[in-house]
Amino acid sequence: EAQVTQNPRYLITVTGKKLTVTCSQNMNHEYMSWYRQDPGLGLRQIYYSMNVEVTDKGDVPEGYKVSRKEKRNFPLILESPSPNQTSLYFCASSLDRGYSPLHFGNGTRLTVT
Amino acid sequence: GIQVEQSPPDLILQEGANSTLRCNFSDSVNNLQWFHQNPWGQLINLFYIPSGTKQNGRLSATTVATERYSLLYISSSQTTDSGVYFCAVEEEGGSEKLVFGKGTKLTVNP
Repeated sequence: EAQVTQNPRYLITVTGKKLTVTCSQNMNHEYMSWYRQDPGLGLRQIYYSMNVEVTDKGDVPEGYKVSRKEKRNFPLILESPSPNQTSLYFCASSLDRGYSPLHFGNGTRLTVT
Repeated sequence: GIQVEQSPPDLILQEGANSTLRCNFSDSVNNLQWFHQNPWGQLINLFYIPSGTKQNGRLSATTVATERYSLLYISSSQTTDSGVYFCAVEEEGGSEKLVFGKGTKLTVNP
């Protein structure tokens, strides 16, 4: 089944403890992206990747890192999480950047205490 | 940057009713997509529709790019249609990213 898989679905952590949210797609998509969703602020892009080894900042990249070493994987890294990074996170992918549907993972609900 | 406005912000329907959701955008776009976020938080792509009309079952969408709006039609609504509907656009010659509207929250009552 074609899908974008994120893990974990739920994560509770403490301030400053490094964490990684994994994202993998099995559709051979070139474009991958991370979003966060917050009440009243909607969906905002954190980082995106046009292809392997190519990543760019979105609207809210501060406090996050990404890497794209393989086409299928695009992990989101929080080196030192803070409470303001408590949010619902989505990974997404599409065949190419602007001319094909964007497919989302099921989301990761992160709580930083 | 491009502005995306969706209306109405909230909509309550009885099962079986029809509805129209609107998405206005402030500049020319080369990418427009509609998504449904169900009550469990999953985001599902409904349509990729930068122009023209598409239909998928009870749902259809029309984008009039020259007039900078898109419409999502839901016919014979069902309780499973409940959730938030988002429009997202990418500005032509712009920032290489999808900008999301704030969504329309749809509640379909049995």
